[in-house]
Amino acid sequence: KQEVTQIPAALSVPEGENLVLNCSFTDSAIYNLQWFRQDPGKGLTSLLLIQSSQREQTSGRLNASLDKSSGRSTLYIAASQPGDSATYLCAVMDTGRRALTFGSGTRLQVQP
Amino acid sequence: DGGITQSPKYLFRKEGQNVTLSCEQNLNHDAMYWYRQDPGQGLRLIYYSQIVNDFQKGDIAEGYSVSREKKESFPLTVTSAQKNPTAFYLCASSAGTGTGNEQFFGPGTRLTVL
Repeated sequence: KQEVTQIPAALSVPEGENLVLNCSFTDSAIYNLQWFRQDPGKGLTSLLLIQSSQREQTSGRLNASLDKSSGRSTLYIAASQPGDSATYLCAVMDTGRRALTFGSGTRLQVQP
Repeated sequence: DGGITQSPKYLFRKEGQNVTLSCEQNLNHDAMYWYRQDPGQGLRLIYYSQIVNDFQKGDIAEGYSVSREKKESFPLTVTSAQKNPTAFYLCASSAGTGTGNEQFFGPGTRLTVL
């Protein structure tokens, strides 16, 4: 059974710092990996999707990488801002079951 | 305005009652999903449907039921058999289940058992 782990569970940084969020998964037979953002009490907003054949995706200040063979993904946030404060969730879609398995998230706080 | 709507936003249930959570999408997506989120945790899959009139159990289907009679609708019923239903429920959809299909989420329904 696929398991997804996110480290760290929480992170507090001063504004302007570059930071890296980590995601690992146990079964490398995946279709894709998605990174989401969740604000308190809200639904999820999709940030980036990396297909299994891809190595990375970029959107603005966000860059996500995927190393399928080692079961790892990182989300890089450049020049962090207080508006980036949220919980970031990583999820993978297995080739067997066409639904996402989620990590527990990293709660990020960016201090002004 | 395209998207996924969930209603109600807040729902209170007495013990022993069945309640139904609504999920509607106007994105013309084939696949729809229901997840449950408990405080400080990630999402767990309850049920999913890849096409109309078909659905599969997820990891925590016990005490829940679904139907998929229309492409745009995927209601979730929380039955009295669900022992601990207090949670945040999220519905999602995607165009398909291939490698490039992104999942999009609704705003969620918070269910509280009184």
